[in-house]
Amino acid sequence: TQLLEQSPQFLSIQEGENLTVYCNSSSVFSSLQWYRQEPGEGPVLLVTVVTGGEVKKLKRLTFQFGDARKDSSLHITAAQPGDTGLYLCAGVQGNNRLAFGKGNQVVVIP
Amino acid sequence: NAGVTQTPKFQVLKTGQSMTLQCAQDMNHNSMYWYRQDPGMGLRLIYYSASEGTTDKGEVPNGYNVSRLNKREFSLRLESAAPSQTSVYFCASSPGWLGQPQHFGDGTRLSIL
Repeated sequence: TQLLEQSPQFLSIQEGENLTVYCNSSSVFSSLQWYRQEPGEGPVLLVTVVTGGEVKKLKRLTFQFGDARKDSSLHITAAQPGDTGLYLCAGVQGNNRLAFGKGNQVVVIP
Repeated sequence: NAGVTQTPKFQVLKTGQSMTLQCAQDMNHNSMYWYRQDPGMGLRLIYYSASEGTTDKGEVPNGYNVSRLNKREFSLRLESAAPSQTSVYFCASSPGWLGQPQHFGDGTRLSIL
């Protein structure tokens, strides 16, 4: 059973469109991280959210932590080809162990 | 800035061979991690070192050993490689122990024949 479910698994959109991907769980997390991974490289940490309902913005990317700290969403406004990548969410459990989702593969077509 | 450096980048082994994956970080981080990434499985924690001198098992430690040689270096050893260990291995580090790696290396792609 996957602790963190990410949906959709794959998303292809045109440049300039908006998109939202989701990270869901039945467990409560003390914090949640989003990473982006490009082919042949390691994941790069984008953001950490800690407080239920917290919203953080990173340029055109908006991250939200659910009120109950069980889920999160990532919204990209006016997607660019440089946003293409595998978006991974990861949540910290009570034992300070990080559990990763399988990722949202996003492809932005020029 | 080198960040987290992993060597080698690629390796092919025969079943039963042994090898050590090397990892070094130059950010003076206390905590280091080894993950494996497999298609359809996501990233899974093999071992971690919360601080210099300590190591602990993660989610999938069987078949692996680790050594925290000093604050900079954290190596992963496969004593007798098996085809099930074919994977991409990532080393990561963070300033302190909160279970959250901040910086990842670019990975070692390991194939076991």
